[in-house]
Amino acid sequence: GAGVSQSPSNKVTEKGKDVELRCDPISGHTALYWYRQSLGQGLEFLIYFQGNSAPDKSGLPSDRFSAERTGGSVSTLTIQRTQQEDSAVYLCASSPLGFSYNEQFFGPGTRLTVL
Amino acid sequence: GQQLNQSPQSMFIQEGEDVSMNCTSSSIFNTWLWYKQDPGEGPVLLIALYKAGELTSNGRLTAQFGITRKDSFLNISASIPSDVGIYFCAGQGGGSEKLVFGKGTKLTVNP
Repeated sequence: GAGVSQSPSNKVTEKGKDVELRCDPISGHTALYWYRQSLGQGLEFLIYFQGNSAPDKSGLPSDRFSAERTGGSVSTLTIQRTQQEDSAVYLCASSPLGFSYNEQFFGPGTRLTVL
Repeated sequence: GQQLNQSPQSMFIQEGEDVSMNCTSSSIFNTWLWYKQDPGEGPVLLIALYKAGELTSNGRLTAQFGITRKDSFLNISASIPSDVGIYFCAGQGGGSEKLVFGKGTKLTVNP
């Protein structure tokens, strides 16, 4: 079946512009996560959606970052007034309910470059 | 907050050699996962461990959930060039639902 998809795969923007990154999780997965990965670094947790519960936004680095998940499926991560330090790969992951809820499946990421 | 220490940071080995990497945590974990990330791709789940002492294999890969529940290791036997990549450990526990990721081990295999 289809895996997690993300778009665009690459985004180059100018400092100060807003960007929207999209994630389509695996069908039926109730949990959705956004992570940021800077060059050569590990994964930095940003935000977590689980079903209809209020999202866990504890990892968002500033109020310029926000995310939505509509209809319990597709999610959009928005970065307003981008800064050069926002340049990174943004990874989305989804996981199912039940025993294997920790097994997150990742998309290929969106590489964001802020000039 | 929870922290994972993953080591080594990088490894340079010859094709055919065995590899071992490990993660330790400051908290007791309920789940340990190992992922591999190829350049330009998202991490791919290799092995999931759910029970202290559990030893699980996936082809040439073997991972163990430490008996203290604060560590895990991943072994790769008879390495091949396509094993190149970054390996991440991840754990869940310590009162948090979220996965915590290690900083990764970058593996280079010389043919």
